[in-house]
Amino acid sequence: GNSVTQMEGPVTLSEEAFLTINCTYTATGYPSLFWYVQYPGEGLQLLLKATKADDKGSNKGFEATYRKETTSFHLEKGSVQVSDSAVYFCALVSGGSNYKLTFGKGTLLTVNP
Amino acid sequence: DAEITQSPRHKITETGRQVTLACHQTWNHNNMFWYRQDLGHGLRLIHYSYGVQDTNKGEVSDGYSVSRSNTEDLPLTLESAASSQTSVYFCASSEQGKSETQYFGPGTRLLVL
Repeated sequence: GNSVTQMEGPVTLSEEAFLTINCTYTATGYPSLFWYVQYPGEGLQLLLKATKADDKGSNKGFEATYRKETTSFHLEKGSVQVSDSAVYFCALVSGGSNYKLTFGKGTLLTVNP
Repeated sequence: DAEITQSPRHKITETGRQVTLACHQTWNHNNMFWYRQDLGHGLRLIHYSYGVQDTNKGEVSDGYSVSRSNTEDLPLTLESAASSQTSVYFCASSEQGKSETQYFGPGTRLLVL
């Protein structure tokens, strides 16, 4: 079956630091990969996605590249802001899953001024 | 603007009571999903629907039921609430054939005493 493993948190950084949150996956077929973000007290929002190998998703300064050879989709940002403090979820959907998302457990990021 | 709403946002109930959580979306999406979010588990799929009169069980469906009588609504019913069902519940929807981007509601925080 499908599974997503992302790095355990919490992650605490100072403003303007570099961010990496690791995500690896196991899936049947050729999955599409996503990062969702959950700000305090809110639902999840799609941050970025990639639908095939070597695609790079990007949004709001965040990037992630679909690496089929390492089954990874690591999230990066060059300079984090306090407003980036949130929980980040890596997720996938594969052709065999009939539109169902499989989520990682989430990584809490706190950015201090 | 199209949106997805959940009600109530907060609910306290007693063990053994029946509880219904509402989910309403105005995107006219065919696919709708219910998740629960718990510390250490991320998001887990409870039930999902691909259209009117269609419902399917997710990975943690025991003790929950859904019905889909129209496109806009997918209410989630806890038949006999248990303390183990204390959680935050999220509803999501996605367009048929564009399953990747699921749009999430703001969540319902349920406490079962």
